[in-house]
Amino acid sequence: GQSLEQPSEVTAVEGAIVQINCTYQTSGFYGLSWYQQHDGGAPTFLSYNGLDGLEETGRFSSFLSRSKGYSYLLLKELQMKDSASYLCASYNQGGKLIFGQGTELSVKP
Amino acid sequence: KAGVTQTPRYLIKTRGQQVTLSCSPISGHRSVSWYQQTPGQGLQFLFEYFSETQRNKGNFPGRFSGRQFSNSRSEMNVSTLELGDSALYLCASSDTGGTGELFFGEGSRLTVL
Repeated sequence: GQSLEQPSEVTAVEGAIVQINCTYQTSGFYGLSWYQQHDGGAPTFLSYNGLDGLEETGRFSSFLSRSKGYSYLLLKELQMKDSASYLCASYNQGGKLIFGQGTELSVKP
Repeated sequence: KAGVTQTPRYLIKTRGQQVTLSCSPISGHRSVSWYQQTPGQGLQFLFEYFSETQRNKGNFPGRFSGRQFSNSRSEMNVSTLELGDSALYLCASSDTGGTGELFFGEGSRLTVL
C-alpha cells in the first residue's frame, strides 16, 4: 500500500521561511510532487522530485530523501498570497496518483 | 493556451439521481484523470484515460464511470447518487500521464440532497 502523511496546519509570518513536511510509505517509488490549492480551487503544480536532493524554483524549494521516505517543501519570503493548502503526491506501483491530506498554511501579517 | 475546463461548476442533485460531469483538457493533452475531493478523505483518484482507453481506476464503486472521446474530452458519470457523493470533482490533464505535471480544472462541486 501507499500513504503520504502531512501536518494538517502550519502558521507562519509574512516574510519568514516555512517548511512543510511529507512522509511516505510505499512499496514502490515513482517520484514526489507538490501542489498548491487555494480555497478549494484548482490545484497547481509546484515541483517534482524524482531523485534525492533539492529542487529550487524561485521562492519555492522541494527536497527528497528516498532512503528516509521524506520530502519537504520550503517557502521563502512568505507572502499573504501563499496562504493555501499544500499537497504532496506520489504514484503507487499501480500507476495511481496518491495525495496527502494537505497542509493548510496560514500566513499572518 | 486555454486551461482545463470543467462543466458544470456547481450542481445540486437529490439522492438516487445520476450526474454527468464534463472535462475539456488542454489542447494536445491525451491523458485525463479524475479525482474526488472531500474534507474527510482529501483528494482521491477516480480513474485515468489515455487516448480513449481507461488506463487506471481507483477504489470507487461501479456507480462511478467515465469515458474519453477521440478529441480527448472526458466525461464522468455517477449513478444512483448518495449523500456521500457530495464533493468537489477535479479533472486534470497531462501530455503523457505517468509522472508528468498535471494541469487541473477548477472542478465541479456536486451537492447531493
